[in-house]
Amino acid sequence: GIQVEQSPPDLILQEGANSTLRCNFSDSVNNLQWFHQNPWGQLINLFYIPSGTKQNGRLSATTVATERYSLLYISSSQTTDSGVYFCAVGRGSTLGRLYFGRGTQLTVWP
Amino acid sequence: EAGVAQSPRYKIIEKRQSVAFWCNPISGHATLYWYQQILGQGPKLLIQFQNNGVVDDSQLPKDRFSAERLKGVDSTLKIQPAKLEDSAVYLCASRDARSNQPQHFGDGTRLSIL
Repeated sequence: GIQVEQSPPDLILQEGANSTLRCNFSDSVNNLQWFHQNPWGQLINLFYIPSGTKQNGRLSATTVATERYSLLYISSSQTTDSGVYFCAVGRGSTLGRLYFGRGTQLTVWP
Repeated sequence: EAGVAQSPRYKIIEKRQSVAFWCNPISGHATLYWYQQILGQGPKLLIQFQNNGVVDDSQLPKDRFSAERLKGVDSTLKIQPAKLEDSAVYLCASRDARSNQPQHFGDGTRLSIL
């Protein structure tokens, strides 16, 4: 399978701060998704970004597929951003199966 | 559009009992996945269906786990008999079979084994 490493494992921020989460993967992929798992366990799709850059409000993501990494940027963090952020990758040969990292636990304090 | 529906949301059973989970994917999604998420880890694939056929069940503990997707829509995942290490969240996801489409996840079933 594909190895996915996320860093940092834990991140504690004051409300209003910015942060960058990183995802490294071990093989070429044609699917990369970022998820936010909220305290109730729901996995929320943030980005589908196998390559390039996307932005959605205070969040943006960049994937450099040739160098096998992706970055998730959170600006002006809010307490509701707390939770675990997962990076997951896949390739066409496995018909869309996703390989997940262990996640980054983000805690935002007021 | 309606999302992936799962039930129940929570289940508590004793070891050696049996349990079943249900998933209804997004309408029209041919591909359906069951993942297991143990506390502190990312989800891991158990089984993948394309319509009503199994594509990948290499990580499914077949001595105790079974899954089916009759008629290519709803799916059920069963554990019999349950072990303590089966305590986890069981997530169902679906995906449009066309290329370059993301997976969409349900809210999951949190299973506790006593």
